[in-house]
Amino acid sequence: QAVLTQPASLSASPGASASLTCTLRSGINVGTYRIYWYQQKPGSPPQYLLRYKSDSDKQQGSGVPSRFSGSKNASANAGILLISGLQSEDEADYYCMIWLSSAEVVFGGGTKLTVL
Amino acid sequence: QVQLLESGGGVVQPGGSLRLSCAASGFTFSSNGMHWVRQAPGKGLEWVAFVRYDGSDKNYADSVKGRFTISRDNSKNTVSLQMNSLRVEDTALYYCAKGDVAYWGQGTLVTVSS
Repeated sequence: QAVLTQPASLSASPGASASLTCTLRSGINVGTYRIYWYQQKPGSPPQYLLRYKSDSDKQQGSGVPSRFSGSKNASANAGILLISGLQSEDEADYYCMIWLSSAEVVFGGGTKLTVL
Repeated sequence: QVQLLESGGGVVQPGGSLRLSCAASGFTFSSNGMHWVRQAPGKGLEWVAFVRYDGSDKNYADSVKGRFTISRDNSKNTVSLQMNSLRVEDTALYYCAKGDVAYWGQGTLVTVSS
């Protein structure tokens, strides 16, 4: 079982909100980790969006709009990237990441977000 | 501003070797760990290796352990990835990333093919 699981795809309408999930493998407690989120558009490297551990431990990436926000669902053992007021430019692949140790990170498989 | 510039990619036969380099600027390189992350064509991101700020600790993904070696030169602000015994499945765009994984280079393409 993968450490981080993301749905392969998600579709949403312009102006709506999209909730992208990143589920941690059983035995890895989401409450312990900062969840990092990245956006990647075709032909470009990943862009750091934000990280979220709690409301008192979070960071927005430089220049990232506030309509991108992070949260957690502890009962589902998942991190969440919420994108509100969806725009066509938000269509991209989104990856979550955690530090598994002080010298290792792991990425989720990515979610392809379609805005239509 | 932070800049990361990878180089050294190319086409190599299975079993061959390649050395990637990443030139860093815009931050205190010697105070930051560095990563290599790869992305196979049409696939997701895969972490490859990490080196601590002073080179004292290195870690590798199981898929490359024993074949790849990460190193750094703090006098030249560069981090390298020596890749030996390359396999077809190592074909990917290789990115270097700053230790906080908030900054990435544009990547260098490695193709392993006969």
